[in-house]
Amino acid sequence: AQKITQTQPGMFVQEKEAVTLDCTYDTSDPSYGLFWYKQPSSGEMIFLIYQGSYDQQNATEGRYSLNFQKARKSANLVISASQLGDSAMYFCAMIRHQAGTALIFGKGTTLSVSS
Amino acid sequence: NAGVTQTPKFRVLKTGQSMTLLCAQDMNHEYMYWYRQDPGMGLRLIHYSVGEGTTAKGEVPDGYNVSRLKKQNFLLGLESAAPSQTSVYFCASSQGVYYGYTFGSGTRLTVV
Repeated sequence: AQKITQTQPGMFVQEKEAVTLDCTYDTSDPSYGLFWYKQPSSGEMIFLIYQGSYDQQNATEGRYSLNFQKARKSANLVISASQLGDSAMYFCAMIRHQAGTALIFGKGTTLSVSS
Repeated sequence: NAGVTQTPKFRVLKTGQSMTLLCAQDMNHEYMYWYRQDPGMGLRLIHYSVGEGTTAKGEVPDGYNVSRLKKQNFLLGLESAAPSQTSVYFCASSQGVYYGYTFGSGTRLTVV
């Protein structure tokens, strides 16, 4: 069965510092996709970044990058130069191929950025 | 604006009451999903649909029913609400695996 594990319930970082949010996954599918979403206190789900299992390079989107280590089944999100607006819940998710390509989510990590 | 619209945004129900949550998308997406979000649990899939007229169970379907009579609409029904169904409900849609997912803004449901 597919599974996403986020082991950090909460993370704290100062402005302008980099932070890594951990995500490990389990799947037997050779082809899969991994996502990171941000959920601020307002509640909406904001797409951050996507990594395909066959992508040769780690995905990057502005200050977000995905440290994809296939052999270790990890897909950590790296946020460079943290900003106060980065304070939010962050979810790692994987495509669940046997359920209409629905996403399976981890339990999330709450990131708090202080000045 | 194109996207996924959920109605209502907030609702308080008494135990045993019924209600329907509506999800509407105007992007002609084939796939639609209902999730519930509870503290410390992430988002869990309730039901999903891979096209008009089709529905299937997700990981937490008990107590819920769904219908997709029109491609653009995906309805989630609670026939007899229970306090355990107090949650935030999200609808999402997608055109396929690599086209991304669009989420609605959520419905906060409280069952007392």
